[in-house]
Amino acid sequence: AQSVTQPDIHITVSEGASLELRCNYSYGATPYLFWYVQSPGQGLQLLLKYFSGDTLVQGIKGFEAEFKRSQSSFNLRKPSVHWSDAAEYFCAVASGTASKLTFGTGTRLQVTL
Amino acid sequence: EAGVAQSPRYKIIEKRQSVAFWCNPISGHATLYWYQQILGQGPKLLIQFQNNGVVDDSQLPKDRFSAERLKGVDSTLKIQPAKLEDSAVYLCASSLNIGGQPQHFGDGTRLSIL
Repeated sequence: AQSVTQPDIHITVSEGASLELRCNYSYGATPYLFWYVQSPGQGLQLLLKYFSGDTLVQGIKGFEAEFKRSQSSFNLRKPSVHWSDAAEYFCAVASGTASKLTFGTGTRLQVTL
Repeated sequence: EAGVAQSPRYKIIEKRQSVAFWCNPISGHATLYWYQQILGQGPKLLIQFQNNGVVDDSQLPKDRFSAERLKGVDSTLKIQPAKLEDSAVYLCASSLNIGGQPQHFGDGTRLSIL
């Protein structure tokens, strides 16, 4: 069965600092990987996705993620965080055919000014 | 394009009562999903529809939860009778089709059971 681990429950960074959120997945074949962001009281917004090809994926709002098969990881990065980036971030994995998403437990990002 | 619409946004009921949620997916999206998100956790898939057929309902508590997608567009999710542990946010999502297509989420319905 597929699974996702986000080891960091809560991260605090200063505005302007760089950010890396960790995600490890378990899946037998080549996974489809996603990062979503959720602001309080809202649904999830897709930041970026990896299906195949270039292992460095660019997303919206200046985010990027790198797929590393050898480490079963798909970490999210941003070079300079803005206060508006404070939110909950979810990593998710899907099988190729059924598209059922399995989510991690999320990382709450706090940004200090 | 209009996003996924859900109603109501909030619902408070007592245990053993019934409740229903409504979802209107993005126009043209064949696949519709209902997720349950308990506080502090990631969303968990309850049921997945492809047009008006069920693809996956393996995690739906069928003794109390039911869902339908008549005519392959709108969908309703019902809980009857509700238990305290059903307190959660219920998210609806849609995608163009099956096969790894990105899912677009609505803002959810926050359900509180007293």
